[in-house]
Amino acid sequence: DTAVSQTPKYLVTQMGNDKSIKCEQNLGHDTMYWYKQDSKKFLKIMFSYNNKELIINETVPNRFSPKSPDKAHLNLHINSLELGDSAVYFCASSPGGWSYEQYFGPGTRLTVT
Amino acid sequence: AQSVTQLDSHVSVSEGTPVLLRCNYSSSYSPSLFWYVQHPNKGLQLLLKYTSAATLVKGINGFEAEFKKSETSFHLTKPSAHMSDAAEYFCVVMNYGGSQGNLIFGKGTKLSVKP
Repeated sequence: DTAVSQTPKYLVTQMGNDKSIKCEQNLGHDTMYWYKQDSKKFLKIMFSYNNKELIINETVPNRFSPKSPDKAHLNLHINSLELGDSAVYFCASSPGGWSYEQYFGPGTRLTVT
Repeated sequence: AQSVTQLDSHVSVSEGTPVLLRCNYSSSYSPSLFWYVQHPNKGLQLLLKYTSAATLVKGINGFEAEFKKSETSFHLTKPSAHMSDAAEYFCVVMNYGGSQGNLIFGKGTKLSVKP
């Protein structure tokens, strides 16, 4: 029973393409997140999404757009991919609130050539 | 604003010896602190969390951390390292400035365990 799952695990694509990464959680959590891990292993929040409220990190280019069809899913769509988008993208979920831990998916390694 | 600083980018220990991974935090509020572990090519797993209850927090796989407000520290320890402990460890603080409590990660400490 995978708590937070992501597809695909690996994604190799060319510059300029549009791609999506899917995330699903079966924990019944209200809040989901997208994080980016760069080549130096540094993790940074991109988005958080609670029901209908989307919190956008101002450092994220508008080529990145999260889409949530329902509470259990938060997909990440990326337009016009650039070399610098190469990274590992992690989805996470939590019950919400200030003291709850977050549960992470296995990550999607995106390589843009 | 909240932040964490992991004082060592790489720690190397011998199997069976103690592990100490150091983390200092900065927070305007009483912080919620976490340690996560990432094994090679894997996702992130929660080791333990501190949320203003007991200052000594016990986690999985024999790890524990002590919250010291006077030193603004939250160091991770384990009495005896195993080969399977080799991984990247992240000290994390909850960001109270975000409306949904996103996490702020330290830069990570790579733990190597020698046989």
